[in-house]
Amino acid sequence: NAGVTQTPKFQVLKTGQSMTLQCAQDMNHEYMSWYRQDPGMGLRLIHYSVGAGITDQGEVPNGYNVSRSTTEDFPLRLLSAAPSQTSVYFCASSPDLRVEVTGELFFGEGSRLTVL
Amino acid sequence: RKEVEQDPGPFNVPEGATVAFNCTYSNSASQSFFWYRQDCRKEPKLLMSVYSSGNEDGRFTAQLNRASQYISLLIRDSKLSDSATYLCAVNEDTGRRALTFGSGTRLQVQP
Repeated sequence: NAGVTQTPKFQVLKTGQSMTLQCAQDMNHEYMSWYRQDPGMGLRLIHYSVGAGITDQGEVPNGYNVSRSTTEDFPLRLLSAAPSQTSVYFCASSPDLRVEVTGELFFGEGSRLTVL
Repeated sequence: RKEVEQDPGPFNVPEGATVAFNCTYSNSASQSFFWYRQDCRKEPKLLMSVYSSGNEDGRFTAQLNRASQYISLLIRDSKLSDSATYLCAVNEDTGRRALTFGSGTRLQVQP
């Protein structure tokens, strides 16, 4: 079972460049989300989606765009990369839209991004 | 001030020891609580939920103290394989379909 697949696993960007982190899940989960993890800061929610065509902002959405054209895919776009976006990015999905009640988040393996 | 706080550790304990971590939350309206485990350079995985009445799963016990606004995780008979970072997660009842995570407590079990 593939579960939640993130690509690329590692990326180095220069300031001002744009890129897309890909996230795909094969579990037919309606709920998908993006978190970033920084030392001492924990996981912080960037954006989330409760189904195709529906997205919402999380705690730290600035500098990031998302779209959800299919149930399976939830790409995260960095519009103009900044050094402050150097982080580990995790995509997560859930079989239950009430993720805040069930806690059932399935994470991908992460994408390590460095912005120079 | 962070909404969900954890002692970063590391907690260094010998095999067989009992160890406990706490996680404090600032929003008294918080409804649901969870513990996740994250191995080094890996993704977090749900360990267990924390119910009002407590929750036990083998060597792991999770408890909630609403009056003092913290949750705890107790690990008995620690194994080398328990070495990881333990993240707490809280539903802050913001209307957002999401959890707020602490920054984690690192546990190192030594032989």
